[in-house]
Amino acid sequence: DQQVKQNSPSLSVQEGRISILNCDYTNSMFDYFLWYKKYPAEGPTFLISISSIKDKNEDGRFTVFLNKSAKHLSLHIVPSQPGDSAVYFCAASDSGAGSYQLTFGKGTKLSVIP
Amino acid sequence: DGGITQSPKYLFRKEGQNVTLSCEQNLNHDAMYWYRQDPGQGLRLIYYSQIVNDFQKGDIAEGYSVSREKKESFPLTVTSAQKNPTAFYLCASSIVPGHPGDYGYTFGSGTRLTVV
Repeated sequence: DQQVKQNSPSLSVQEGRISILNCDYTNSMFDYFLWYKKYPAEGPTFLISISSIKDKNEDGRFTVFLNKSAKHLSLHIVPSQPGDSAVYFCAASDSGAGSYQLTFGKGTKLSVIP
Repeated sequence: DGGITQSPKYLFRKEGQNVTLSCEQNLNHDAMYWYRQDPGQGLRLIYYSQIVNDFQKGDIAEGYSVSREKKESFPLTVTSAQKNPTAFYLCASSIVPGHPGDYGYTFGSGTRLTVV
């Protein structure tokens, strides 16, 4: 049973436009969410995170929105650049569980077209 | 520079052989993790360790073993009992957080294991 779902395996966006990557979760105990970016044959790199006490977190061109009632979060990239082309993983954690594990979604491959 | 080193980058194994993947970190992180990535499957947790000499099974631990004799090292052995070992293996580390803001994992660059 997948607790973190990224329902779009791929997304194509024109350079300069907005990229919106979506993520849904089912475990109501999750209270911390992260996005990772991964290039082929490399390890994922941390991009941005959000705590459940917030509904928005912004870092430069990247903004993450959290809708707790809908158990949904999204990553906005504005403006999109060709270097943003990668696989993006959504991850979630339950800080009360004590293990500090991250549960990952299957990823969304973003292609930014020049 | 601090980071996580995984070696080798590519590994070939014959069926029936055990093989060990190396993971070393110099970030002074307490926790270390092993994930497996298959196409279309995302990252699945194999084993994790929060302190030296202690480790816990993840979601897909069968056919794998680990040790944590030093804080810096968390090697993963893929045994002959693992029925489908061909995959991309990722090691990660993190501090054991005192508050949620410390959750970020640092990942290594991965090892691609192929059974021939």
